[in-house]
Parts: sequence; structure tokens; C-alpha cells
Amino acid sequence: AQSVTQLGSHVSVSEGALVLLRCNYSSSVPPYLFWYVQYPNQGLQLLLKYTTGATLVKGINGFEAEFKKSETSFHLTKPSAHMSDAAEYFCAVSESDSWGKLQFGAGTQVVVTP
Amino acid sequence: EAQVTQNPRYLITVTGKKLTVTCSQNMNHEYMSWYRQDPGLGLRQIYYSMNVEVTDKGDVPEGYKVSRKEKRNFPLILESPSPNQTSLYFCASTPTGTASNQPQHFGDGTRLSIL
Repeated sequence: AQSVTQLGSHVSVSEGALVLLRCNYSSSVPPYLFWYVQYPNQGLQLLLKYTTGATLVKGINGFEAEFKKSETSFHLTKPSAHMSDAAEYFCAVSESDSWGKLQFGAGTQVVVTP
Repeated sequence: EAQVTQNPRYLITVTGKKLTVTCSQNMNHEYMSWYRQDPGLGLRQIYYSMNVEVTDKGDVPEGYKVSRKEKRNFPLILESPSPNQTSLYFCASTPTGTASNQPQHFGDGTRLSIL
């Protein structure tokens, strides 16, 4: 069975600074990995996903994430934070042989300060 | 416009009174899923459906039922709601499950309060 751990329930970054959100997973088979963003009072929106192929994945809004199998990690980064990046971010994993089930992390709330 | 529509958006009800939250998608997606979101726990999958008449349990199915009689609809049924089912619920769909090259589309959520 898969599981996801997001380090840090709250992250505060200055506008223009690097955004780094950490995600570690456990999976007994090759995983599919996802990052979602949730703005207040809205549903979730996919930022990016890794299934196979290139381990550095680029997503929307300038975000990217790198799949590191040896570290079982899928950290999300953005070089320069914008005020509009304030939201809650969720890492999720599903297993490639049972991709109906999706496991989410507990989420990281990002606050961007001027 | 591609949409996942949930109804109602908000509901306050009492323990034991059966309720149904409807979910409908207009994208002809095979896969649909229900999640609940609770503070500090993220989203947890309740049930999912790979296609019509094919449903399976997620991580927290107790106290819930679903049905998938037609492709567009995937209602969530609480036969005898209890206060621990007070939560924010999301329905989602995608063409062929989480492995799809297209993202899951989420509804706007249904906030349930069970007194």
C-alpha cells in the first residue's frame, strides 16, 4: 500500500523567494506522483504529475518537481514566489498497478509575504 | 464547459437522516471518485468507480455507499449519517483513472454538517 508524507503543514515564503515543498512517499511498485493546489473555497487543480519518463516534471504556474527514486521523494519547487501562490498544496501517489486508488498527503499551507 | 457538478454545496442535517450528495460530469469520463477533506488529514478517498457498474472501496468507505448506474453520475449516499461524517466532500473524474494524461477534474465541494 502506498503512503505520502508532506513535511511541514505551513510554509511562509517571501515574495520572490524560492518555494520548496517536500513530499516523500512509500510504494511497493512504481508510483504515479501528483501535486495539486487548492485555493480557498475551491476544488483541487492539478499542478503536475509524474508517471514514467523524464524525472523532472514541469507544471503550470512555473512549478516543477523532480522524482527521485533513491530518496522516494517528489519535492515541488518554484524559483520565485508570487502572491498568487498562496494556497494549500497536496502531494498524492497512486500505484501503477492499481491506479484507481489515490493517496493524498496532509497538505502544506503556503503563505507568501510581501 | 467541462464540469463536475456536486449538489448540494452545503447541507446541515441531523444524525440518522439519510442523505445523498449527487455528482455529475459532462466529459464522458470512465473514472469517478469521492474524497473527504478534513483539517490535518488531507483528502482521503472514500470510493471510486472505474466505469459503469464498477465500484471499489478507497481508504475510508465505512458509513458510505455509492452507485454508478450511468457514466455521468456517481452519487454518494449516507444511509445513517453520524457527526463524524461532518466534512468537506469532493467528487472528481478523469478519463481513465489516475494514469490518464489528462488531469482529474474536481467539483467545487460539498460541506456537510451532521448534528
